[in-house]
Amino acid sequence: GQQLNQSPQSMFIQEGEDVSMNCTSSSIFNTWLWYKQDPGEGPVLLIALYKAGELTSNGRLTAQFGITRKDSFLNISASIPSDVGIYFCAELKTSYDKVIFGPGTSLSVIP
Amino acid sequence: EAQVTQNPRYLITVTGKKLTVTCSQNMNHEYMSWYRQDPGLGLRQIYYSMNVEATDKGDVPEGYKVSRKEKRNFPLILESPSPNQTSLYFCASRVGPQGHYGYTFGSGTRLTVV
Repeated sequence: GQQLNQSPQSMFIQEGEDVSMNCTSSSIFNTWLWYKQDPGEGPVLLIALYKAGELTSNGRLTAQFGITRKDSFLNISASIPSDVGIYFCAELKTSYDKVIFGPGTSLSVIP
Repeated sequence: EAQVTQNPRYLITVTGKKLTVTCSQNMNHEYMSWYRQDPGLGLRQIYYSMNVEATDKGDVPEGYKVSRKEKRNFPLILESPSPNQTSLYFCASRVGPQGHYGYTFGSGTRLTVV
């Protein structure tokens, strides 16, 4: 079946540093979603990507839909303590309404 | 405020005692879904609903029931809970076929079955 891999699994960075994480799939995607989960809360949608090559920003966050349609990356610039959490990539399968999540990247920001 | 509301946030129960976790959304979304989150296993879909009176199994439906009698509510029912259903549960909704955006999630229900 389809597999989603995220790297790195976890990151410890200094406040102010830029962060980059990526997601790869064993099959072609039509929609890439990036979510963030704060401790004790539900995932929150950060960015949605719908076309190969698409580059989208949301504040300090930037995500791109890879041209092969099998990968995506998420960058966070000038990290701050509230960036701490788990970042998930996901695909939305519209035909039967399922969001398939990757295993997540855990981000820790050291003040 | 547009949101998905789950209750309760925390629940400890005993094996075999039926329970219901409620979920309500105020965004007039057509699609709703239940997920469970477990360490090392990530988020897995339990059931989903694409319309009132229409529900379908997700990846891990065993031991769960759902109902969708009205658009805004999508309760999760555990008829006879077992310890392996100890988990963090999320209800979620999204617009429907006319929108491609991902789910809006509730804040979660942490269930412990002893």
